[in-house]
Amino acid sequence: DGGITQSPKYLFRKEGQNVTLSCEQNLNHDAMYWYRQDPGQGLRLIYYSQIVNDFQKGDIAEGYSVSREKKESFPLTVTSAQKNPTAFYLCASSPQGKGYTFGSGTRLTVV
Amino acid sequence: AQSVTQLGSHVSVSEGALVLLRCNYSSSVPPYLFWYVQYPNQGLQLLLKYTSAATLVKGINGFEAEFKKSETSFHLTKPSAHMSDAAEYFCAVMPSGGSYIPTFGRGTSLIVHP
Repeated sequence: DGGITQSPKYLFRKEGQNVTLSCEQNLNHDAMYWYRQDPGQGLRLIYYSQIVNDFQKGDIAEGYSVSREKKESFPLTVTSAQKNPTAFYLCASSPQGKGYTFGSGTRLTVV
Repeated sequence: AQSVTQLGSHVSVSEGALVLLRCNYSSSVPPYLFWYVQYPNQGLQLLLKYTSAATLVKGINGFEAEFKKSETSFHLTKPSAHMSDAAEYFCAVMPSGGSYIPTFGRGTSLIVHP
């Protein structure tokens, strides 16, 4: 079955560490997105990519980085510059304008 | 520019009662509109979408929504609530041309009492 796979489901980060969240899709979608979800704040866009080797900052890109070397993959790195990284992170893909398909999310906690 | 307002962060209904979740939007161009559902610790699942065809849109799990341009609304309804409907619901608006980046509302938590 086609879909989006996010891993790991739970991730713990120590202060000062960089961590990378994985997102893989086999839907042949051109566009991929990363969102951060905090209680009561809905979804906030971190980065998005509409074609391979190209990506744009969203509303809250500071402290995050991404790459898009393959159509299927869009990993997100949470750097040590992100001062409040504890959140639920959601990856999504879209065939441009037809609604998103979401992964099941990664919950990141700073310890 | 576009925005979404979901009225009520929490809505509580009894099992079997009508479900009504409100969504108002603003958009400078004709919009696409979506409703998503999220169960705890999971991603969002598309319930239904409006893309300028019929104004009454039917979705999964017995939900439907009506696009009302004059009221800039896209409220979600279900005639009879089931316990399994308890979840977080998100409305989203996307311009029909351009970047295809949707704006999400803050979500409404639906609570269903037995």
